[in-house]
Amino acid sequence: DSGVTQTPKHLITATGQRVTLRCSPRSGDLSVYWYQQSLDQGLQFLIQYYNGEERAKGNILERFSAQQFPDLHSELNLSSLELGDSALYFCASSASGRPTGELFFGEGSRLTVL
Amino acid sequence: DQQVKQNSPSLSVQEGRISILNCDYTNSMFDYFLWYKKYPAEGPTFLISISSIKDKNEDGRFTVFLNKSAKHLSLHIVPSQPGDSAVYFCAAISYSSASKIIFGSGTRLSIRP
Repeated sequence: DSGVTQTPKHLITATGQRVTLRCSPRSGDLSVYWYQQSLDQGLQFLIQYYNGEERAKGNILERFSAQQFPDLHSELNLSSLELGDSALYFCASSASGRPTGELFFGEGSRLTVL
Repeated sequence: DQQVKQNSPSLSVQEGRISILNCDYTNSMFDYFLWYKKYPAEGPTFLISISSIKDKNEDGRFTVFLNKSAKHLSLHIVPSQPGDSAVYFCAAISYSSASKIIFGSGTRLSIRP
């Protein structure tokens, strides 16, 4: 158990809809990272937050947004969903804002867009 | 542009033998390299890392080798055990590039009896 909690574990929705994925980091960790893993793809970095502020941005679509709340949990919002958004979305956390390498990953949220 | 590449999607190794997983990268500015291991229905877990100023790091059965001139790193597992069957991701960090951790596409390692 990494200590990172992601909900929901599975989500099935239709094209054009909007969903919110939630992540609670490990106790004491200030950084939250979001990654997308599509079929047979690696982990694509989406965005990082540190103590409520956006720290780094990757290949995140404009239809996607995220935020980190004062209690340090984070939400990833995916809107106007397309079939290609079907993927496993991972949240990870670390203690500092500067990645030293060891991220603690949640079990992921599997999104299926029909 | 895939900056971190794992060209072998899968690898099968006999139990007790050496497993060698390979990773190539294109960005010479990477400062740190890591290997993560992922079991089905679980998130990736950190396995071992190496700084760009070193060429080898060892932790028990796991050794990572870095060849900077070839922009290549490898993970050696000796001896391979059934519990090593998993997907292994290579990753790299460039602190000058907003500290993003870039992952490869993964190699599925199967340890056969």
